[in-house]
Amino acid sequence: KAGVTQTPRYLIKTRGQQVTLSCSPISGHRSVSWYQQTPGQGLQFLFEYFSETQRNKGNFPGRFSGRQFSNSRSEMNVSTLELGDSALYLCASSLETSYDEQFFGPGTRLTVL
Amino acid sequence: GQQVMQIPQYQHVQEGEDFTTYCNSSTTLSNIQWYKQRPGGHPVFLIQLVKSGEVKKQKRLTFQFGEAKKNSSLHITATQTTDVGTYFCAGLSGGYNKLIFGAGTRLAVHP
Repeated sequence: KAGVTQTPRYLIKTRGQQVTLSCSPISGHRSVSWYQQTPGQGLQFLFEYFSETQRNKGNFPGRFSGRQFSNSRSEMNVSTLELGDSALYLCASSLETSYDEQFFGPGTRLTVL
Repeated sequence: GQQVMQIPQYQHVQEGEDFTTYCNSSTTLSNIQWYKQRPGGHPVFLIQLVKSGEVKKQKRLTFQFGEAKKNSSLHITATQTTDVGTYFCAGLSGGYNKLIFGAGTRLAVHP
């Protein structure tokens, strides 16, 4: 079974730009969660999608948004990038809920200059 | 809001020594999960604990869930260089249907 895939793996943007990151969950997994990982803040929960609906949301500004498609693939978008948005963005999929084991993808390393 | 505190932040040990990381929540947890992230890698699920007072073992790793379901620990016996990485706990409480991760404990093992 293929694991969680994320594209692109690396991204360099400048302040003010926007970016879209993509995540393909494990086949059969319906829940997709996004996390931001930085050295100082650890793993911060962004949001979770299930059946194309945002089911949970973390404490991030509205510049961070996401969506999920009917095939469970998910995208997250960050608009008006700031230097502080530089981080590793991890996507995790699970069967149904956050109670289930989370399978993480390799992440997208975003650098904002 | 819900917080999950994890200590220590960093520990280095000599190969063969034991290691323990502790996780404490401000609220009662429905369950707790543990993950390991190797340097340059992504978090990988280790185990989930659900019951009060639960203890689970995986070879040299022992996981405990406190009686009040507010704390947990991971103990590694006789560490090896392959144990290097950051260990995260992640808790789920009834009122918040999202996993909240601790800041992680980074383990360095010196041969």
